[in-house]
Amino acid sequence: GDSVTQMEGPVTLSEEAFLTINCTYTATGYPSLFWYVQYPGEGLQLLLKATKADDKGSNKGFEATYRKETTSFHLEKGSVQVSDSAVYFCALTSNQAGTALIFGKGTTLSVSS
Amino acid sequence: DADVTQTPRNRITKTGKRIMLECSQTKGHDRMYWYRQDPGLGLRLIYYSFDVKDINKGEISDGYSVSRQAQAKFSLSLESAIPNQTALYFCATSDTGGSYNEQFFGPGTRLTVL
Repeated sequence: GDSVTQMEGPVTLSEEAFLTINCTYTATGYPSLFWYVQYPGEGLQLLLKATKADDKGSNKGFEATYRKETTSFHLEKGSVQVSDSAVYFCALTSNQAGTALIFGKGTTLSVSS
Repeated sequence: DADVTQTPRNRITKTGKRIMLECSQTKGHDRMYWYRQDPGLGLRLIYYSFDVKDINKGEISDGYSVSRQAQAKFSLSLESAIPNQTALYFCATSDTGGSYNEQFFGPGTRLTVL
C-alpha cells in the first residue's frame, strides 16, 4: 500500500544552519505531496505542497521538490530560526483511501540560538 | 474564530466508558476525517466521510465509530474505551474536487484512558 518514510529525529541545529529532512514515498498513481508542521501544543498546519513531478513547493523559506524518479520530497531551508522548532510531517494523498492523507512518522526539529 | 473546532480539548476517562469526541467546521467542506497521533507513529486515519451519507473506514477503525450529523459536524465515538486508545485525536476537513486535497486540521483532543 501507499506509504511515506521520513528521516527519524530528533534533528538538532544551531540557528542559521542549513536544514534537510528527507522524505521518500511509495504510491500508486500520481499522488500530491505535502509537508505539514506541528508547533508545540498545536494542530497541524500545511507548510507547502506539490501536485505533480518537478513541482517545487515553497513557503516561509522552506522548499521541497517533487522528484518522481527518486520518489522523494525532501524538505530544505537555508537558514533555520529558533521559531522553526516543531515536528514536521511528510504526507501524500492516497488513492486507496479516498484521497485521505498518508503521513510519515514525523521529524522533530530543535533549533538553538 | 477557528475554522475547525474540536471538543473537548482534553479528556481523561476510565476503561470501559463510552466517549464521544466532536468536530465542527465552518469552512463549508464536504470531506471530513478523523486521525489519531501517537508518538513515533505519525498520524493514522481512523474514519473519513465525503458527505453526510458516506462513511468509510480508515486504517485503524476497530474500536471506533463515527457519526456525520450534518455537513459541518463529524463525531468520533469510543464505545468502550481501553488504555491503548490514549492518544491525540485530530479532525480534518477538505474541499471536494480540489486536486491538492489540502486538509485543514482542528487543534486536537488529548484523550487519556486509565
